[in-house]
Amino acid sequence: DAGVIQSPRHEVTEMGQEVTLRCKPISGHNSLFWYRQTMMRGLELLIYFNNNVPIDDSGMPEDRFSAKMPNASFSTLKIQPSEPRDSAVYFCASSLIRGQAYEQYFGPGTRLTVT
Amino acid sequence: EDKVVQSPLSLVVHEGDTVTLNCSYEVTNFRSLLWYKQEKKAPTFLFMLTSSGIEKKSGRLSSILDKKELFSILNITATQTGDSAVYLCAVEMDNQGGKLIFGQGTELSVKP
Repeated sequence: DAGVIQSPRHEVTEMGQEVTLRCKPISGHNSLFWYRQTMMRGLELLIYFNNNVPIDDSGMPEDRFSAKMPNASFSTLKIQPSEPRDSAVYFCASSLIRGQAYEQYFGPGTRLTVT
Repeated sequence: EDKVVQSPLSLVVHEGDTVTLNCSYEVTNFRSLLWYKQEKKAPTFLFMLTSSGIEKKSGRLSSILDKKELFSILNITATQTGDSAVYLCAVEMDNQGGKLIFGQGTELSVKP
């Protein structure tokens, strides 16, 4: 299995531009998680999906952030408009929930720099 | 508020030393505790603990959970420079769809 795939790996954009991050979870996994990691705040959960349905988006910082999961093999995280404080590494993770404890597998991350 | 606290935040040791990393938690409806290792890339899974007193072991790494005192430790014996990384502790709560709450991590540096 190729693992969780994220693109792009690096993104540099100017303030005010729209940014779209993409994630392909591990085939057969039914849950997907978006995280943001910074030195100051560590690893923060932004939003997660079970069976393509958003379950908890309380971690999304503000309305500029949105996420979708149109099918079991693809998700996007969009920031519009982007701001310098959005600069961080964004991780996508997936897992299989079958009623018992499990682990999440992380993608390689997208390093976002907003200038 | 649910929280996971790790200590120390950073640690510097020499090769061959043994280290103990700590993770305490306060969450409602605890389900499992997980340890991850993060080098300069994505976190990679180490252990999942669900029951008290049962040690999980993988090579020089081991971990144990105490659900009464609400903490876990991660031990690394005979450390090597390749063990240098940030070690993350996370707690999963029951009926939360797999949501994990992460601690702030312990940055371990192993000097030759």
